Amino acid sequence: KQEVTQIPAALSVPEGENLVLNCSFTDSAIYNLQWFRQDPGKGLTSLLLIQSSQREQTSGRLNASLDKSSGRSTLYIAASQPGDSATYLCAVSPYSGAGSYQLTFGKGTKLSVIP
Amino acid sequence: DAGVIQSPRHEVTEMGQEVTLRCKPISGHNSLFWYRQTMMRGLELLIYFNNNVPIDDSGMPEDRFSAKMPNASFSTLKIQPSEPRDSAVYFCASSFRGAYTGELFFGEGSRLTVL
Repeated sequence: KQEVTQIPAALSVPEGENLVLNCSFTDSAIYNLQWFRQDPGKGLTSLLLIQSSQREQTSGRLNASLDKSSGRSTLYIAASQPGDSATYLCAVSPYSGAGSYQLTFGKGTKLSVIP
Repeated sequence: DAGVIQSPRHEVTEMGQEVTLRCKPISGHNSLFWYRQTMMRGLELLIYFNNNVPIDDSGMPEDRFSAKMPNASFSTLKIQPSEPRDSAVYFCASSFRGAYTGELFFGEGSRLTVL
């Protein structure tokens, strides 16, 4: 059974700092990995989707990398801003044909960027 | 597109009452998911529809829960009778699925409180 772990559960950084959020998964047979952002009382917003054949994806100040063999993904946020404060979740989609809709989510990392 | 639309955003009800949550997926998406989020368990997949057909309802907690998707633009999740342990945020999400699940888009969620 796939397990997704995000450490730390919470992170507080001063504004302007570059930071890395971590996601690890136990089964490397994945189809894709997604990073989401969730603001308090809101739904999840998709940030980046990395296919298993890709090593990284970039969007603005965000860069996500994927190392399937080691079961790890990182989300790099450059020049953090208070508006980046949110909970960040990663989710993996299994490479199992008919069951590939079964995304497994991590519990998330709650990020606070201090002005 | 307006995104995934859920209603109601908040629902407070008494134990034993029927609760109906509604979802309008993004136009053109052929996959629809109902998730439940709690602090203790994180995000749990309740049911998955593909082309309006329920494919996997193994995550539905018990017979008190039922879900329908009468057409491509509407789905409901019903709880009857509701219990305090059903209190959670219920999310609807949609995606375009070819062979595997693509990027997932979430609604804002329906926060249910059962007294």
